[in-house]
Amino acid sequence: DQQVKQNSPSLSVQEGRISILNCDYTNSMFDYFLWYKKYPAEGPTFLISISSIKDKNEDGRFTVFLNKSAKHLSLHIVPSQPGDSAVYFCAASERGGSEKLVFGKGTKLTVNP
Amino acid sequence: EPEVTQTPSHQVTQMGQEVILRCVPISNHLYFYWYRQILGQKVEFLVSFYNNEISEKSEIFDDQFSVERPDGSNFTLKIRSTKLEDSAMYFCASIPLGAGGEQYFGPGTRLTVT
Repeated sequence: DQQVKQNSPSLSVQEGRISILNCDYTNSMFDYFLWYKKYPAEGPTFLISISSIKDKNEDGRFTVFLNKSAKHLSLHIVPSQPGDSAVYFCAASERGGSEKLVFGKGTKLTVNP
Repeated sequence: EPEVTQTPSHQVTQMGQEVILRCVPISNHLYFYWYRQILGQKVEFLVSFYNNEISEKSEIFDDQFSVERPDGSNFTLKIRSTKLEDSAMYFCASIPLGAGGEQYFGPGTRLTVT
């Protein structure tokens, strides 16, 4: 039961270029979406989030776009840096707040110098 | 900056043994969670805990699992009789009251059941 899907297991980009990570969801009750970054042997680190009442949220080099009709969100990283190399997880929750997070399988981003 | 801590970082146990994984959430946080990630798979929700009781639990969280907040700081996950398939990274997370949903995760405990 994959309610949150990240169909690309890996992505490789050149330093300075844009990285676009994609995520699809099936549960229409989800109203809060998050991106987490994870390095090996560490816990997920919160990166950026978006509420379903918005279609875009920006924080520095990171921008998340939400297309509710398509049940699709994407994370843009511009410009990409080698330190961005990590596994990126998309997560979603119902009713925002304290609800459990449902994660995708992750996309491993490699930024080449 | 405050952070969630977890101990031990790695626990090796034999099948059938009991293990207790410990977490210290961020001090003003009121909602607590356990997640796990089996190697190569996604992070999965186990249980949420608020006001000294379980708020929600997943199908994974069967009778072999229990959680406790024995004092004002620790939050523990106990597995009574471990199985080989319990081998995974276990993550604790927490959020304050009224938060937008950004859960803060600990570094995880790697549990290896032999």
